[in-house]
Amino acid sequence: RKEVEQDPGPFNVPEGATVAFNCTYSNSASQSFFWYRQDCRKEPKLLMSVYSSGNEDGRFTAQLNRASQYISLLIRDSKLSDSATYLCVVNMYSSASKIIFGSGTRLSIRP
Amino acid sequence: GAVVSQHPSRVICKSGTSVKIECRSLDFQATTMFWYRQFPKQSLMLMATSNEGSKATYEQGVEKDKFLINHASLTLSTLTVTSAHPEDSSFYICSVQTEGPNQPQHFGDGTRLSIL
Repeated sequence: RKEVEQDPGPFNVPEGATVAFNCTYSNSASQSFFWYRQDCRKEPKLLMSVYSSGNEDGRFTAQLNRASQYISLLIRDSKLSDSATYLCVVNMYSSASKIIFGSGTRLSIRP
Repeated sequence: GAVVSQHPSRVICKSGTSVKIECRSLDFQATTMFWYRQFPKQSLMLMATSNEGSKATYEQGVEKDKFLINHASLTLSTLTVTSAHPEDSSFYICSVQTEGPNQPQHFGDGTRLSIL
């Protein structure tokens, strides 16, 4: 089993739709969680950290479920510019980093 | 977040050439930097952890003599791909992690390496 797993997609949704991705992780001792977006042939950019209580940033909502070991990302009112690959990132330890990247979920927003 | 600069952004060279990639932390003194490689349609794979003033820590399966890492100062780490071959063609990205627990990583722009 992979340490971090994501549905590769692609998700193809119309503009304005709501879309959600899940990401599961295998190590219950994982400490911190992030969502990054990566555009084609570019470096990953931090979208948001994921906090235990869940957090929201504009149209984006991230949630963490430690019991089931998954994190989720919800995008509301999707825009064409949201088209990208979304990477789930898990840090296994709190001090020394052991960063594991998911393989990414491709999202395509159509007009 | 930290600002990370990576240079060059694109390299095309002949097989057998050695290629040096620089990663600079512009606004943060980074004792640790990370080097990743990403093949098309695949996720980022950590190659090594670069430690200022000491040897880099390489991930399993990454040849340390092939991928030389030097972290001579708190703001600069270099990755040298020695005697590069076509199979080394990839997207190489560095990152830094700001201090404190549970901090995210911030990435350089990446270097697209093509070996002919």
